[in-house]
Amino acid sequence: DTEVTQTPKHLVMGMTNKKSLKCEQHMGHRAMYWYKQKAKKPPELMFVYSYEKLSINESVPSRFSPECPNSSLLNLHLHALQPEDSALYLCASSQEPATGGNYNEQFFGPGTRLTVL
Amino acid sequence: AQKVTQAQTEISVVEKEDVTLDCVYETRDTTYYLFWYKQPPSGELVFLIRRNSFDEQNEISGRYSWNFQKSTSSFNFTITASQVVDSAVYFCALSEPYSGAGSYQLTFGKGTKLSVIP
Repeated sequence: DTEVTQTPKHLVMGMTNKKSLKCEQHMGHRAMYWYKQKAKKPPELMFVYSYEKLSINESVPSRFSPECPNSSLLNLHLHALQPEDSALYLCASSQEPATGGNYNEQFFGPGTRLTVL
Repeated sequence: AQKVTQAQTEISVVEKEDVTLDCVYETRDTTYYLFWYKQPPSGELVFLIRRNSFDEQNEISGRYSWNFQKSTSSFNFTITASQVVDSAVYFCALSEPYSGAGSYQLTFGKGTKLSVIP
């Protein structure tokens, strides 16, 4: 099973709402990632979890709050978002974080298309 | 700083034509990995290939082939006998170590949108 799943597929929210994006993988991967992708742009890294610990936070505003409840699940909690946060949010996982210079490929989920009104 | 350049923004070809997508990278690391991903209109990024900097052998997988040349810092991707299902945005990416975290991140090129016309 080489699948990363994300829910919901689409999400429309107002600026005062609180919502969560969910990501799940059952490949036994120990690194998980959140990316943001605006239209016609490449993905931009937001957060990295290695062995369920946050290892990278790319200066993301605090209105985005990641959570890794266990090795298979990754959440992204959203609060007080702005219209410019509308984008495709992609989750990915890789077998291990980089160790000894070995960078495993990342497997991506289908993404959540977020619209902030 | 790491950098990946995909100079072709959009390419259109007629079905069954061959097409090559260019990727040029810059890095000061001696050990690095290069990747190609496909992103169809549905949005999911599909992993195609990973190449280690020490392995310059070209690779073929069905209609796909990759030409890695360290001397020119290029990792080009060729689709032979293109099909409509190949229409997608293709991203080339370079691994970039993230110091102090034992992790890495991918530096993506801007992508090349390929349209295969029936």
